[in-house]
Amino acid sequence: GAGVSQSPRYKVAKRGQDVALRCDPISGHVSLFWYQQALGQGPEFLTYFQNEAQLDKSGLPSDRFFAERPEGSVSTLKIQRTQQEDSAVYLCASSRASSTNEKLFFGSGTQLSVL
Amino acid sequence: GDSVTQMEGPVTLSEEAFLTINCTYTATGYPSLFWYVQYPGEGLQLLLKATKADDKGSNKGFEATYRKETTSFHLEKGSVQVSDSAVYFCALPPNTGKLIFGQGTTLQVKP
Repeated sequence: GAGVSQSPRYKVAKRGQDVALRCDPISGHVSLFWYQQALGQGPEFLTYFQNEAQLDKSGLPSDRFFAERPEGSVSTLKIQRTQQEDSAVYLCASSRASSTNEKLFFGSGTQLSVL
Repeated sequence: GDSVTQMEGPVTLSEEAFLTINCTYTATGYPSLFWYVQYPGEGLQLLLKATKADDKGSNKGFEATYRKETTSFHLEKGSVQVSDSAVYFCALPPNTGKLIFGQGTTLQVKP
């Protein structure tokens, strides 16, 4: 596709359930990022991949959060035993290269609601 | 640590009014600075950027100048349109692979 694709668009989970959020980056993009955006706030960094290597996971809020990108393309963000405070929009972004000046292309996000 | 502070919104303007959205930053060194925009129902997209001090980024009539002396990167537009209604985010990359965003400023333009 032409842009970054995320699925599902909306996800409702009961507290304690596990969820998996998918990101399809732009084809050929080396870098992939996950961000968490709470209502009325700016996105906050979760984790970063360069190809299949997870180079930075400093933003993951707890060990319930896990991300992978096994073949250097599609990525999955998994949240185990979801809590109400996990409710947010989860954004995926990709870029062509790993430079601080590189433009990020964002998906529309997955809105997660934990009841 | 590095941080970005934006003026709180919402900002409500009439069409053709002048727009300023303030952004100040704290950073080690001199990182690039960005403005991203989020239109209703769409993903974040890059609006403009500046890579060094005194650079001016511009796009779609918007401008922002990288001011090292005041650690600012204010967004301006001379004449806003209804279609500019969106949420605007100032951001900086402290290092490769990460962006720090401000909290966002909502702009509403009324006809």
